[in-house]
Amino acid sequence: DQQVKQNSPSLSVQEGRISILNCDYTNSMFDYFLWYKKYPAEGPTFLISISSIKDKNEDGRFTVFLNKSAKHLSLHIVPSQPGDSAVYFCAANEMYSGGGADGLTFGKGTHLIIQP
Amino acid sequence: DSGVTQTPKHLITATGQRVTLRCSPRSGDLSVYWYQQSLDQGLQFLIQYYNGEERAKGNILERFSAQQFPDLHSELNLSSLELGDSALYFCASSPRDTSISPLHFGNGTRLTVT
Repeated sequence: DQQVKQNSPSLSVQEGRISILNCDYTNSMFDYFLWYKKYPAEGPTFLISISSIKDKNEDGRFTVFLNKSAKHLSLHIVPSQPGDSAVYFCAANEMYSGGGADGLTFGKGTHLIIQP
Repeated sequence: DSGVTQTPKHLITATGQRVTLRCSPRSGDLSVYWYQQSLDQGLQFLIQYYNGEERAKGNILERFSAQQFPDLHSELNLSSLELGDSALYFCASSPRDTSISPLHFGNGTRLTVT
Protein backbone atom coordinates (compact mmCIF):
# COMPACT_ATOMS: atom_id res chain seq x y z
CA ASP A 1 0.00 0.00 0.00
CA GLN A 2 1.53 3.26 -1.14
CA GLN A 3 1.44 5.84 1.61
CA VAL A 4 2.82 8.66 -0.56
CA LYS A 5 1.39 9.00 -4.04
CA GLN A 6 2.45 11.10 -6.97
CA ASN A 7 -0.22 10.37 -9.51
CA SER A 8 1.35 12.18 -12.44
CA PRO A 9 4.33 10.22 -13.79
CA SER A 10 5.24 13.14 -16.03
CA LEU A 11 4.44 16.81 -16.54
CA SER A 12 5.38 19.10 -19.41
CA VAL A 13 5.51 22.87 -18.85
CA GLN A 14 6.63 25.75 -21.01
CA GLU A 15 9.68 27.71 -19.89
CA GLY A 16 8.70 30.76 -17.85
CA ARG A 17 5.34 29.32 -16.79
CA ILE A 18 4.41 27.83 -13.43
CA SER A 19 5.05 24.14 -12.72
CA ILE A 20 2.78 22.50 -10.16
CA LEU A 21 3.67 19.06 -8.88
CA ASN A 22 1.21 17.25 -6.66
CA CYS A 23 1.55 14.70 -3.90
CA ASP A 24 -1.04 12.91 -1.77
CA TYR A 25 -0.48 10.89 1.37
CA THR A 26 -2.62 8.44 3.29
CA ASN A 27 -0.79 8.10 6.60
CA SER A 28 -2.23 10.69 8.99
CA MET A 29 0.84 10.31 11.22
CA PHE A 30 3.04 12.00 8.63
CA ASP A 31 3.90 15.47 9.84
CA TYR A 32 6.99 16.46 7.89
CA PHE A 33 7.28 16.58 4.13
CA LEU A 34 10.18 17.07 1.77
CA TRP A 35 10.76 17.41 -1.95
CA TYR A 36 13.83 16.01 -3.62
CA LYS A 37 14.96 16.56 -7.18
CA LYS A 38 16.84 14.00 -9.23
CA TYR A 39 18.80 14.32 -12.45
CA PRO A 40 19.68 11.23 -14.51
CA ALA A 41 22.68 9.26 -13.22
CA GLU A 42 22.75 11.29 -10.01
CA GLY A 43 21.32 10.81 -6.55
CA PRO A 44 18.37 12.88 -5.34
CA THR A 45 19.10 16.32 -3.91
CA PHE A 46 17.05 18.08 -1.25
CA LEU A 47 14.89 20.92 -2.51
CA ILE A 48 12.48 22.18 0.13
CA SER A 49 10.56 20.93 3.16
CA ILE A 50 7.53 21.79 5.25
CA SER A 51 6.29 20.71 8.66
CA SER A 52 2.66 20.20 9.52
CA ILE A 53 2.56 23.32 11.68
CA LYS A 54 2.80 25.39 8.50
CA ASP A 55 0.74 25.45 5.34
CA LYS A 56 3.29 27.15 3.12
CA ASN A 57 7.04 27.37 2.80
CA GLU A 58 8.88 29.39 0.21
CA ASP A 59 12.47 29.32 -1.01
CA GLY A 60 13.21 31.46 -4.02
CA ARG A 61 11.33 30.11 -7.02
CA PHE A 62 10.08 27.10 -5.06
CA THR A 63 7.01 27.08 -2.82
CA VAL A 64 5.48 24.08 -1.10
CA PHE A 65 1.85 24.16 0.03
CA LEU A 66 0.39 21.73 2.56
CA ASN A 67 -3.32 20.98 2.94
CA LYS A 68 -3.53 18.72 5.98
CA SER A 69 -7.27 18.14 5.81
CA ALA A 70 -6.94 16.89 2.24
CA LYS A 71 -3.65 15.10 2.94
CA HIS A 72 -2.24 16.87 -0.08
CA LEU A 73 0.84 18.89 -0.83
CA SER A 74 2.06 20.62 -3.92
CA LEU A 75 5.31 22.10 -5.16
CA HIS A 76 5.13 25.27 -7.24
CA ILE A 77 8.05 26.39 -9.38
CA VAL A 78 7.82 29.91 -10.73
CA PRO A 79 9.12 30.71 -13.26
CA SER A 80 10.09 27.32 -14.65
CA GLN A 81 13.55 27.10 -16.17
CA PRO A 82 15.17 24.48 -18.42
CA GLY A 83 17.41 23.36 -15.55
CA ASP A 84 14.31 22.39 -13.61
CA SER A 85 13.79 19.41 -15.92
CA ALA A 86 14.26 16.47 -13.57
CA VAL A 87 12.35 13.87 -11.57
CA TYR A 88 10.78 15.28 -8.42
CA PHE A 89 10.12 13.04 -5.43
CA CYS A 90 7.78 13.84 -2.60
CA ALA A 91 8.75 12.30 0.75
CA ALA A 92 7.20 12.15 4.22
CA ASN A 93 8.18 11.34 7.77
CA GLU A 94 6.70 11.20 11.27
CA MET A 95 8.81 13.87 12.92
CA TYR A 96 6.71 14.82 15.92
CA SER A 97 5.25 11.39 16.61
CA GLY A 98 8.12 9.17 15.55
CA GLY A 99 11.08 11.44 16.20
CA GLY A 100 11.98 11.37 12.55
CA ALA A 101 14.19 8.40 13.18
CA ASP A 102 12.77 6.20 10.48
CA GLY A 103 13.67 6.61 6.87
CA LEU A 104 11.62 8.76 4.60
CA THR A 105 8.66 7.34 2.68
CA PHE A 106 8.98 8.42 -0.94
CA GLY A 107 6.51 8.70 -3.78
CA LYS A 108 7.34 7.26 -7.21
CA GLY A 109 8.27 10.65 -8.61
CA THR A 110 7.06 13.00 -11.32
CA HIS A 111 9.23 13.66 -14.36
CA LEU A 112 9.06 17.38 -15.07
CA ILE A 113 9.97 18.47 -18.58
CA ILE A 114 10.45 22.17 -19.23
CA GLN A 115 9.95 23.02 -22.88
CA PRO A 116 11.70 26.03 -24.41
CA ASP B 1 28.83 16.77 -5.77
CA SER B 2 27.02 15.59 -2.62
CA GLY B 3 30.20 14.37 -0.94
CA VAL B 4 28.74 10.86 -0.61
CA THR B 5 30.70 8.19 -2.49
CA GLN B 6 29.22 4.88 -3.54
CA THR B 7 31.15 2.03 -5.11
CA PRO B 8 30.89 0.29 -7.44
CA LYS B 9 28.74 2.27 -9.86
CA HIS B 10 27.58 -0.84 -11.67
CA LEU B 11 27.45 -4.46 -10.65
CA ILE B 12 26.32 -7.42 -12.73
CA THR B 13 26.04 -10.79 -11.06
CA ALA B 14 24.12 -14.04 -11.23
CA THR B 15 21.24 -15.34 -9.17
CA GLY B 16 22.30 -16.95 -5.92
CA GLN B 17 25.42 -14.84 -5.58
CA ARG B 18 26.40 -12.39 -2.86
CA VAL B 19 27.55 -8.80 -3.35
CA THR B 20 28.72 -5.95 -1.15
CA LEU B 21 27.92 -2.31 -1.84
CA ARG B 22 30.03 0.35 -0.21
CA CYS B 23 29.22 3.89 0.91
CA SER B 24 31.42 6.65 2.28
CA PRO B 25 29.32 9.39 3.88
CA ARG B 26 29.88 13.10 3.61
CA SER B 27 32.63 14.33 5.91
CA GLY B 28 31.20 14.94 9.37
CA ASP B 29 27.95 13.05 8.79
CA LEU B 30 27.21 10.34 11.34
CA SER B 31 24.07 8.83 9.81
CA VAL B 32 23.98 6.55 6.80
CA TYR B 33 20.77 5.46 5.12
CA TRP B 34 20.30 2.81 2.45
CA TYR B 35 17.50 3.01 -0.11
CA GLN B 36 16.46 0.73 -2.97
CA GLN B 37 14.86 2.02 -6.15
CA SER B 38 13.38 -0.68 -8.34
CA LEU B 39 12.05 -0.02 -11.82
CA ASP B 40 9.18 2.49 -11.76
CA GLN B 41 9.22 2.57 -7.98
CA GLY B 42 9.98 5.26 -5.50
CA LEU B 43 12.90 4.95 -3.15
CA GLN B 44 12.28 2.27 -0.53
CA PHE B 45 13.96 2.77 2.82
CA LEU B 46 16.04 -0.23 3.85
CA ILE B 47 18.05 0.61 6.94
CA GLN B 48 19.74 3.42 8.87
CA TYR B 49 22.89 3.51 10.93
CA TYR B 50 23.97 6.29 13.25
CA ASN B 51 27.53 6.44 14.54
CA GLY B 52 28.02 2.72 14.11
CA GLU B 53 24.71 1.54 15.52
CA GLU B 54 21.61 0.38 13.72
CA ARG B 55 18.95 3.05 14.28
CA ALA B 56 15.98 2.16 12.10
CA LYS B 57 14.88 -0.62 9.80
CA GLY B 58 12.57 -0.40 6.84
CA ASN B 59 11.62 -2.97 4.24
CA ILE B 60 14.91 -4.79 4.32
CA LEU B 61 14.87 -8.48 3.41
CA GLU B 62 16.47 -11.02 5.71
CA ARG B 63 18.90 -11.85 2.88
CA PHE B 64 20.22 -8.30 3.15
CA SER B 65 22.37 -6.93 5.93
CA ALA B 66 24.36 -3.80 6.57
CA GLN B 67 26.90 -2.37 8.94
CA GLN B 68 28.63 0.91 9.67
CA PHE B 69 32.29 0.81 10.54
CA PRO B 70 34.26 2.97 13.02
CA ASP B 71 35.40 5.23 10.19
CA LEU B 72 31.65 5.70 9.44
CA HIS B 73 31.69 4.11 6.02
CA SER B 74 28.90 1.58 5.50
CA GLU B 75 28.45 -1.62 3.55
CA LEU B 76 25.24 -3.23 2.35
CA ASN B 77 25.50 -6.98 1.83
CA LEU B 78 23.02 -8.69 -0.47
CA SER B 79 23.03 -12.48 -0.53
CA SER B 80 21.20 -15.29 -2.33
CA LEU B 81 20.43 -12.77 -5.01
CA GLU B 82 17.23 -13.04 -7.03
CA LEU B 83 16.23 -11.40 -10.31
CA GLY B 84 13.92 -9.07 -8.38
CA ASP B 85 16.86 -7.63 -6.47
CA SER B 86 17.96 -5.81 -9.61
CA ALA B 87 17.66 -2.14 -8.72
CA LEU B 88 19.46 1.09 -7.99
CA TYR B 89 20.77 1.17 -4.45
CA PHE B 90 21.33 4.60 -2.94
CA CYS B 91 23.21 5.54 0.14
CA ALA B 92 22.51 8.84 1.86
CA SER B 93 24.10 10.56 4.81
CA SER B 94 23.16 13.30 7.25
CA PRO B 95 24.79 14.82 10.31
CA ARG B 96 21.96 13.85 12.66
CA ASP B 97 20.03 10.69 13.41
CA THR B 98 16.86 11.98 11.84
CA SER B 99 15.92 11.84 8.18
CA ILE B 100 14.10 15.16 8.33
CA SER B 101 17.40 16.93 8.12
CA PRO B 102 18.23 17.00 4.42
CA LEU B 103 19.80 13.78 3.25
CA HIS B 104 22.79 13.88 0.93
CA PHE B 105 22.60 11.05 -1.58
CA GLY B 106 25.33 9.31 -3.47
CA ASN B 107 24.92 8.57 -7.17
CA GLY B 108 23.87 5.01 -6.50
CA THR B 109 25.01 1.51 -7.39
CA ARG B 110 23.10 -0.14 -10.21
CA LEU B 111 22.79 -3.85 -9.50
CA THR B 112 21.78 -6.21 -12.28
CA VAL B 113 21.06 -9.82 -11.38
CA THR B 114 20.97 -12.19 -14.36
